[in-house]
This record gives sequence, C-alpha cells and structure tokens, in this order.
Amino acid sequence: EDQVTQSPEALRLQEGESSSLNCSYTVSGLRGLFWYRQDPGKGPEFLFTLYSAGEEKEKERLKATLTKKESFLHITAPKPEDSATYLCAVQENSNSGYALNFGKGTSLLVTP
Amino acid sequence: ETGVTQTPRHLVMGMTNKKSLKCEQHLGHNAMYWYKQSAKKPLELMFVYSLEERVENNSVPSRFSPECPNSSHLFLHLHTLQPEDSALYLCASSQDRPTDTQYFGPGTRLTVL
Repeated sequence: EDQVTQSPEALRLQEGESSSLNCSYTVSGLRGLFWYRQDPGKGPEFLFTLYSAGEEKEKERLKATLTKKESFLHITAPKPEDSATYLCAVQENSNSGYALNFGKGTSLLVTP
Repeated sequence: ETGVTQTPRHLVMGMTNKKSLKCEQHLGHNAMYWYKQSAKKPLELMFVYSLEERVENNSVPSRFSPECPNSSHLFLHLHTLQPEDSALYLCASSQDRPTDTQYFGPGTRLTVL
C-alpha cells in the first residue's frame, strides 16, 4: 500500500482558474510533509515544509495546508509558468530518519 | 556554481560498461543523497551519507556503488547495468538533521542499451 497518494494525477486549468492538489498519507507518526515542484528534465525544487496539523504556508500564488491525513496545495489565479509536476513527500517518525516517501505527483498544465 | 550540480546531465551506456555519476553541493551541507526517478513511479531513495558515512542503503543492487569522499562530493559508480536501470538519477543534499530540507540537483538522465 502506498504511503503517499496524490490526486489528481493530471490537472489542466485555464489561466486564472484556481484549484487544489491533494496529498493523502498514511504514516504512523508524521515528522514532516514536503511539497516540491519539478519542471521537465530538472530536479525537484523545494516549496514548503509542514510539520503539524493546522499549519499553513504561502508563497506567491501557492498555499499549502496540512491535516492529520492529508495536505492540500491551493493554487490561486494560476499562470502558465505554474505548469509543472508537483510532488508531495512525507517523513515519518518510525523510520531511521532521512528517508522521504514521495507520491507520484500531480502534473499541472495551465493554459493561457 | 551554486546549489547542487550533477555531471554528466545525460549518459548512454551499454550493459557491459562502467561509468560514474558525479554530484557536488555548494551549500555547506553535511548530508547527501542519491534518488532514482523512473517514469510513472515515485522517487526512490537509494543511498544516504551523513558526514561522509553511509547511513542508509535501501536494498539497492550491488551494480550501483556509492562513494562519498567528502561532504561536498558524492559519486555513483555504475557497472553491468540492466535496461530497467534507465532513469533519472537525482542527487540531493541537506544540512544534517533528518528533518532538514533536501535540495536537489538537476539529475543525470541515464539510458542503458
């Protein structure tokens, strides 16, 4: 069973059309939840870390929120340059420490 | 150079070749990582080094051999690979504590013929 499930797998939005990406996780104890953005042919670029339920972080048009079972990445009035794959990863208390368990990502396309 | 750099960016090799991937971080970090990213699969952690000592090894076949000569450099030595090893290999670094943010390089696109 996957520990991290992202949905939808792919999302197409018109420029300015706000939406949310979901990351649901099943771990025994969450140490941290990470959001990354990945452009084609490039490495993941760090966006946010969330540590506890109720926490929220914002950066430009992006806002990440966290509950005990899932995280949302809200995209407000997206622009074409927001097109990328968004990756969610969790780190749990029970593992040796460094491992991040990644989801498969949501591929976002924003059209003009 | 800034951040995390990886060379080469693209590599094509035969199954009998031996090659090495190189990673260098310019962030003053103490932990370095190798990940494998295959199509339609999540990123898979391969190896973790902290202060040049291997601290995690996630059941990776012995045809992949990591080396960390110092906290700024990380290598992945490849030999007798299989076509299914074709993937994007990503290097990352972080300060040192497990919860520290991991910063990724651009990756090496490996194709095994």
